[in-house]
Amino acid sequence: AQSVTQLDSHVSVSEGTPVLLRCNYSSSYSPSLFWYVQHPNKGLQLLLKYTSAATLVKGINGFEAEFKKSETSFHLTKPSAHMSDAAEYFCAQNTGGFKTIFGAGTRLFVKA
Amino acid sequence: GAGVSQSPSNKVTEKGKDVELRCDPISGHTALYWYRQSLGQGLEFLIYFQGNSAPDKSGLPSDRFSAERTGGSVSTLTIQRTQQEDSAVYLCASSRTSGVDFTEQYFGPGTRLTVT
Repeated sequence: AQSVTQLDSHVSVSEGTPVLLRCNYSSSYSPSLFWYVQHPNKGLQLLLKYTSAATLVKGINGFEAEFKKSETSFHLTKPSAHMSDAAEYFCAQNTGGFKTIFGAGTRLFVKA
Repeated sequence: GAGVSQSPSNKVTEKGKDVELRCDPISGHTALYWYRQSLGQGLEFLIYFQGNSAPDKSGLPSDRFSAERTGGSVSTLTIQRTQQEDSAVYLCASSRTSGVDFTEQYFGPGTRLTVT
């Protein structure tokens, strides 16, 4: 069965320091991979997506993710955290068809 | 509208009552999805619609849950005889079904259901 694993349930960083949120996906020939962000009491918003073009994907708000097939990873990074980045982040995978599998989420805390 | 809308935003109901949750997808999006998000959990897939038909109902947790979609647009998720374990945020999403972006889902703000 396909699965998406987010390796950390919580990540805490200081404002201005780098962010790393880790995600591993199920091996698949040509996955589509996504990162979504969810602020409190809001729906999910797409940050970025990988669809077999460039392996380094740039998204909104300074986030980017690198697709590494050999490691089946799609980690999300940002060079410098901002207080407004505090939210829940979900990694997701689609392998064709209409079903997208979501990870359990990583809650990001940003300390002043 | 500009995005996916859901109503109500919050619903408190007594155990045993039926509830209906509504989703209005983005105009032109023929695919519609329902998810459940329980406290501290990820997204649990419930059901997917392509037009008015539901080729994948595999995620519905029990026969108390049902969903329909009419006119290829609005969808209603119905929970009968609600139980306390049904308390969660119910999220709706929609997507196109063709083109390079068809797997990108756009989410509504959710309905927070509390069963007392």
